[in-house]
Formats: sequence, structure tokens, C-alpha cells
Amino acid sequence: EAAVTQSPRNKVAVTGGKVTLSCNQTNNHNNMYWYRQDTGHGLRLIHYSYGAGSTEKGDIPDGYKASRPSQENFSLILELATPSQTSVYFCASGATGTGTEVFFGKGTRLTVV
Amino acid sequence: AQSVTQPDARVTVSEGASLQLRCKYSSSGTPYLFWYVQYPRQGLQLLLKYYSGDPVVQGVNGFEAEFSKSNSSFHLRKASVHWSDSAVYFCVLSATGNTGKLIFGLGTTLQVQP
Repeated sequence: EAAVTQSPRNKVAVTGGKVTLSCNQTNNHNNMYWYRQDTGHGLRLIHYSYGAGSTEKGDIPDGYKASRPSQENFSLILELATPSQTSVYFCASGATGTGTEVFFGKGTRLTVV
Repeated sequence: AQSVTQPDARVTVSEGASLQLRCKYSSSGTPYLFWYVQYPRQGLQLLLKYYSGDPVVQGVNGFEAEFSKSNSSFHLRKASVHWSDSAVYFCVLSATGNTGKLIFGLGTTLQVQP
């Protein structure tokens, strides 16, 4: 069973603080993704990666950085958190190629106060 | 540009009734299409996928979807819904260019009434 694990599951952060969301996958997938989900917007891609050491900007990268230190781990970093970044964040992994299934973690609910 | 439209933000049906959730897509190339479901406080799970061949594809828990190239549609159906089917359903298109990226519709919230 493909597994994507996110931590923490819930996080409250202060405005201007640094936040790191972590993701681990045991699927040996090359591709990993970070999405945020907001009412009225569906899921939007923030950053993605094709393998260890690579990160690519998605559709809404501003205010976020990503890090892929290994095949298994992919982090999303908010250097200076803002209330507009309050959202639910999903990590996902998938094999290389068009049309391959993507597996999602259970999400991290981030509140920036 | 590729896009996915789910015209119904919310659908309410009675338990035991049939269901259709609508999805329209726009893609210049061969569309790879998925339906994902999201239960409360959970991640997204794959229901079914279409790559080619028979336009009717079967998924988990009695769901099926029908692909129509002429209508640019990929509607999800179920013959008889159960209260546990209440969830958010996403129609998803795989982006061209071998990036592995996905293009999501905004989702349809299904509420099944007892």
C-alpha cells in the first residue's frame, strides 16, 4: 500500500514565524508535490519535485520554499508566515510519467494567527 | 490550456438513489482522467482512472465513469448511493508534458440523506 505521511497534522503559527511542513513517502516515487486546499479554489500546486535535490515552482509558489533532501522526504517551508497562508496543505507522490496515479497524505491544517 | 470544470458545487441525493456527478475537461492531447474522493479530514483517494479503450471504467465501491471525447466529459455515476458516500469528489486531468502534474476541478460535495 502506497504511503504518504505528513507531519504535523495540525499547526498553529504566529505571523512572521517560520513554519516547516514535512512529508515522507515509502513508495519510492520520483515525483512529489505540495498542494494547498482552500474553499472556492480546490487544490492548487505550490511546489513539486522530480527527485532528490530538485524542486520546481508550481502555480502559486510565492511565500513558499521547498526542499527535497532525499527520495523519501519533501518539505514545505514558510519563512515568514502570514494569515493568508492559513490553509490545509497536502503532500503527494507519484511515479514518473503522464497519467500515473498520485497518492496523497492526510493533510496538515495550518493556522497562522 | 488544459482545464477541468465541475459545474455542481453541491449535490444532495437520498440514500439508495442513483447518482451522477458531472465533469467537463479541456485538453488538446490525449486526456488521462481521474476521479478522486476526499472524506472528511482525510487526503484524496483514487476512485477510478481512464487512459484509453472502453469509455466506461469501473472503480471502487460501485462507482463508474463514462468518458466522452465528443462531449469532452467524464461523468461519475453510481447506481445506488449509501450514506457513507458523502464526501467531496474531484475530477482530475493529468497535465501534458510528462510532468506528472494534475489539474483539479473545484470539487463537488455530495451529501447523501438517509
